[in-house]
Amino acid sequence: GIQVEQSPPDLILQEGANSTLRCNFSDSVNNLQWFHQNPWGQLINLFYIPSGTKQNGRLSATTVATERYSLLYISSSQTTDSGVYFCAPYNTDKLIFGTGTRLQVFP
Amino acid sequence: NAGVTQTPKFRVLKTGQSMTLLCAQDMNHEYMYWYRQDPGMGLRLIHYSVGEGTTAKGEVPDGYNVSRLKKQNFLLGLESAAPSQTSVYFCASSRDSKETQYFGPGTRLLVL
Repeated sequence: GIQVEQSPPDLILQEGANSTLRCNFSDSVNNLQWFHQNPWGQLINLFYIPSGTKQNGRLSATTVATERYSLLYISSSQTTDSGVYFCAPYNTDKLIFGTGTRLQVFP
Repeated sequence: NAGVTQTPKFRVLKTGQSMTLLCAQDMNHEYMYWYRQDPGMGLRLIHYSVGEGTTAKGEVPDGYNVSRLKKQNFLLGLESAAPSQTSVYFCASSRDSKETQYFGPGTRLLVL
């Protein structure tokens, strides 16, 4: 089955810094979602992005399906951005989750 | 509009006991899913349903059964709980297989 790799596995930032999270996948995909799991365990939809670029406030995402990767950009990070970020490509109509990037933002 | 809700939020079981987790959605979605999340890992698909009365196996189905008797509800059953089933269980729903999945708040299960 499809393999999903996220990098970096851990990231520590000071408030106000920018960051880029990467998601590589081993096979072609129809679509892809990015999620934020907050420290209370809640999964929050960030983007549904099969290709191209989308922006939502300080966050944006780009998927280049032909090259099998997606990027999540976080600008001007805030402490509330802390948590784990998962990418989940769709393969045969099912979401396949990566192991996530754990982000800690300190004031 | 509550979205996806899960009952209970937390449960402790002894090895061998049975229980049922309930997922409900009010978005009239056809597709529903059950995932488990173990510490430090992403979610893995247990079972899913493509419509009322249907179920299908996911990546890690062993030890679980599901039922979708009503479109808005998806039940996950553990007939004989094992410590290896200690996990956080998430339910999700979507309009179809290629559209955004919306997740419930999770159920934390501890099997002693």
